[in-house]
Amino acid sequence: DVVMTQTPLSLPVTPGEPASISCRSSQSLLESDDGNTYLDWYLQRPGQSPQLLIHTLSYRASGVPDRFSGSGSGTDFTLKISRVEAEDVGIYYCMQRKEFPWTLGQGTKVEIK
Amino acid sequence: EVQLVESGGGLVKPGRSLRLSCINSGFIFRDYAMTWFRQAPGKGLEWVGFIRSRLYGGAAEYAPSVKGRFTISRDDSKNTAYLQMNSLKTEDTAVYYCARAPKHGYDRYYFDYWGQGALVTVSS
Repeated sequence: DVVMTQTPLSLPVTPGEPASISCRSSQSLLESDDGNTYLDWYLQRPGQSPQLLIHTLSYRASGVPDRFSGSGSGTDFTLKISRVEAEDVGIYYCMQRKEFPWTLGQGTKVEIK
Repeated sequence: EVQLVESGGGLVKPGRSLRLSCINSGFIFRDYAMTWFRQAPGKGLEWVGFIRSRLYGGAAEYAPSVKGRFTISRDDSKNTAYLQMNSLKTEDTAVYYCARAPKHGYDRYYFDYWGQGALVTVSS
């Protein structure tokens, strides 16, 4: 199985400041057949269901603010928030869809300092 | 408005069975694959399984932790996906979420709408 490792596991942030979360996979998530990288990011706000932020490495989901961006290649990925807002608190998960079984990182808890 | 509503959760004894339903509205259900995730108390998300739309064969895939015990099915006439859970174990205790899976590319999907979750507690 592909192991997903996120760092840090806890991230105190200051509103208005940038923030980033890293995710590393144990195998490349680049699909050679189509050139896509099957890595997604989800946010689970306190008490809520997860929501899709970014899919296929860098495609922002509908309605997601453009302060969120996804990047990376191969086995190393980053979710960046250009200017953190209070509503961004919660647990962020990366997930690979390159191969079954689909697997997720442990989650990174983002909270306001 | 797209809505996914899980139901059927509850308290069940180890070794018994339970079936969750995911009732969908606001979109053409038969055109979409569906997937299930779970989250044990205080833990992270875990992918459980997935079913393709009938247009693409309707086959399902499962996580190793549930394969052989859980079965995902769908009834397009009822706009409903199901998660049949047999031989339940205490470690299956979790909130179970269904999610819509739009297709992009060849047999590739992401998960854009999620239900509110259904709590399953396996305990004697």
